[in-house]
Amino acid sequence: EAGVTQFPSHSVIEKGQTVTLRCDPISGHDNLYWYRRVMGKEIKFLLHFVKESKQDESGMPNNRFLAERTGGTYSTLKVQPAELEDSGVYFCASSGAMSSYNEQFFGPGTRLTVL
Amino acid sequence: LAKTTQPISMDSYEGQEVNITCSHNNIATNDYITWYQQFPSQGPRFIIQGYKTKVTNEVASLFIPADRKSSTLSLPRVSLSDTAVYYCLVGAISSGSARQLTFGSGTQLTVLP
Repeated sequence: EAGVTQFPSHSVIEKGQTVTLRCDPISGHDNLYWYRRVMGKEIKFLLHFVKESKQDESGMPNNRFLAERTGGTYSTLKVQPAELEDSGVYFCASSGAMSSYNEQFFGPGTRLTVL
Repeated sequence: LAKTTQPISMDSYEGQEVNITCSHNNIATNDYITWYQQFPSQGPRFIIQGYKTKVTNEVASLFIPADRKSSTLSLPRVSLSDTAVYYCLVGAISSGSARQLTFGSGTQLTVLP
């Protein structure tokens, strides 16, 4: 079974540019989460989709971040315009009805560098 | 959310048993204790979860005392490949597995030859 995949693995952009990160969850997983770790800090929750609906977006830092999950399959996280403090590793995770409680399957992350 | 406290780092040697203790003094009645492992350049990976007493799987054991204010992750006979960051998470179970995870700073375990 394929795991959670994320694209790209690395992205280097300049301040003010736009970047779109993609996450493909494990097939059949209704729950999709975005997390991020900025330099030196802990992994922080950003938002949670159930199928195509945003269940919880309390962790989104500001309106420069836009997440979508069209058709309840893959998800994108767009940062527009990117700022220096957005640099970090963005993780996507998914879980399904058969997952153990609090068991989420993480992708390898996208390392974003804003110059 | 219950705050967790873990050692920042630990060193061990191959073949030894490693115990990582996590404190969670304000754990709530409906909170579960979950441990994740993270290798460099990878996302966190679920290891084990428990509510009370002892839980064991093919990877680790989790010991939880009666007051549940702490828990200990036990890794038997570690190898070099067990070098990773280990996170202790405490949180309630809501509708199935649909809940955000709250990560602390974790414990960097380094296994030496």
